[in-house]
Amino acid sequence: LAKTTQPISMDSYEGQEVNITCSHNNIATNDYITWYQQFPSQGPRFIIQGYKTKVTNEVASLFIPADRKSSTLSLPRVSLSDTAVYYCLVGDRGSGGYNKLIFGAGTRLAVHP
Amino acid sequence: EAQVTQNPRYLITVTGKKLTVTCSQNMNHEYMSWYRQDPGLGLRQIYYSMNVEVTDKGDVPEGYKVSRKEKRNFPLILESPSPNQTSLYFCASSPLTGLDTDTQYFGPGTRLTVL
Repeated sequence: LAKTTQPISMDSYEGQEVNITCSHNNIATNDYITWYQQFPSQGPRFIIQGYKTKVTNEVASLFIPADRKSSTLSLPRVSLSDTAVYYCLVGDRGSGGYNKLIFGAGTRLAVHP
Repeated sequence: EAQVTQNPRYLITVTGKKLTVTCSQNMNHEYMSWYRQDPGLGLRQIYYSMNVEVTDKGDVPEGYKVSRKEKRNFPLILESPSPNQTSLYFCASSPLTGLDTDTQYFGPGTRLTVL
């Protein structure tokens, strides 16, 4: 699985849009990009997944440029409850390596009143 | 409600006393996995299972055993726990449809302390 690099921490305020960028320079052709969210003492929770361009769901948007060497998770109008650690993972859906999720240190997002 | 459950949620034990942490999922998922999470080290995979009676080592399997006799259950066994196994443990499951193979559903976690 491709290694990812994210900022260690970010701060924001309620109501702002937060963008967390992840670098994955060695991403392979078959790799998908997935983001998880983890609250303290809870298991990670799937947020969004994409392959290229833009993906949007009810929680977030994921922007992936054409070269796919990076991706940006966008959280619109964050609230205090969005304070969590966000992990970017890159993996292959179809090959034998898909079953291993390698979590990096993640980005610790703190949302302030 | 679709979920992954773990028991116990908290456990304090002593070195060498065998223990089992249970994991159960009600989503009929083929794939199940155990992770441990330690400060500064993130989540690391211990063991995983692709289906009943099929298990394989993850990144940190030493000191752990698993079994998969039923599809829904994937217990983690510590035959002789040691203090370095003090950690937060997560069980996860995932379907193997080829469509959502990266989407794993995590349990609430088990905080284990070995004295």
